[in-house]
Amino acid sequence: AQSVTQLGSHVSVSEGALVLLRCNYSSSVPPYLFWYVQYPNQGLQLLLKYTSAATLVKGINGFEAEFKKSETSFHLTKPSAHMSDAAEYFCAVSDEGRALTFGSGTRLQVQP
Amino acid sequence: EAQVTQNPRYLITVTGKKLTVTCSQNMNHEYMSWYRQDPGLGLRQIYYSMNVEVTDKGDVPEGYKVSRKEKRNFPLILESPSPNQTSLYFCASTLAGDPGADTQYFGPGTRLTVL
Repeated sequence: AQSVTQLGSHVSVSEGALVLLRCNYSSSVPPYLFWYVQYPNQGLQLLLKYTSAATLVKGINGFEAEFKKSETSFHLTKPSAHMSDAAEYFCAVSDEGRALTFGSGTRLQVQP
Repeated sequence: EAQVTQNPRYLITVTGKKLTVTCSQNMNHEYMSWYRQDPGLGLRQIYYSMNVEVTDKGDVPEGYKVSRKEKRNFPLILESPSPNQTSLYFCASTLAGDPGADTQYFGPGTRLTVL
C-alpha cells in the first residue's frame, strides 16, 4: 500500500522568502502525486499533480513541485511567499485505479 | 457553477442519535467518496462509490454507512454516533475512471461534534 510522509507539521516563513514543503512517498512504481491546499474553513483544492508527463510540475499561485524518483520525493516550492499562501498543504499519492492516500498535512504560516 | 455541496456545515449531536450528512455534486461525476480529517492524520477515506448502487469501504468505514441511489448524491449516515466520530468530514467527487489519477473536487466540509 502507498504511504506518504510530510516532514514538518508546521512551517513558518517570512513574506517574500522561499517556501519549501517536503513530501516523500513509498512506491515501487512511479505513482500519481498531488498537492492539495486547504484554506481556513474551506475544502481542499488541487494545487498541482504529477502524472509522469514532466518531472517539474507547475501549479496555481506560483507553486511548483519536482518529482525525484531516486529520492521518492515530491517537494513543493514557491520562490516568494505571500501572506495569502497561509494554509494547510497536503501531499497525496495513489496508484492507478486506487484511492488517494494523503499525508498528515503541513500548516504554512507566513510572517509579515 | 461546478461544485460539491455538503449539509449541514456544522453539527453538534449526542451519542446514539442517528444523523445524515448530505453530499451533492453537479458535475455528473461517477466517483464520489467521503473522508474524515483529524489533526495529525490527514484525510482518511471512509467509503467510496464508483457509480450508482456501487459502494465500497475505504480505510476507516466502521460506524458509517453510505448509499448511492442517484448519481449526484452520496449521503453519509451515522446510525449511532459516538464521540470518536467527532471530526471534520469532506465529500469529494471525480469525473470517472481512475480515482487515483483524476483531480478530486471537495466539498466545504462538515464539522461534526458528538457529545
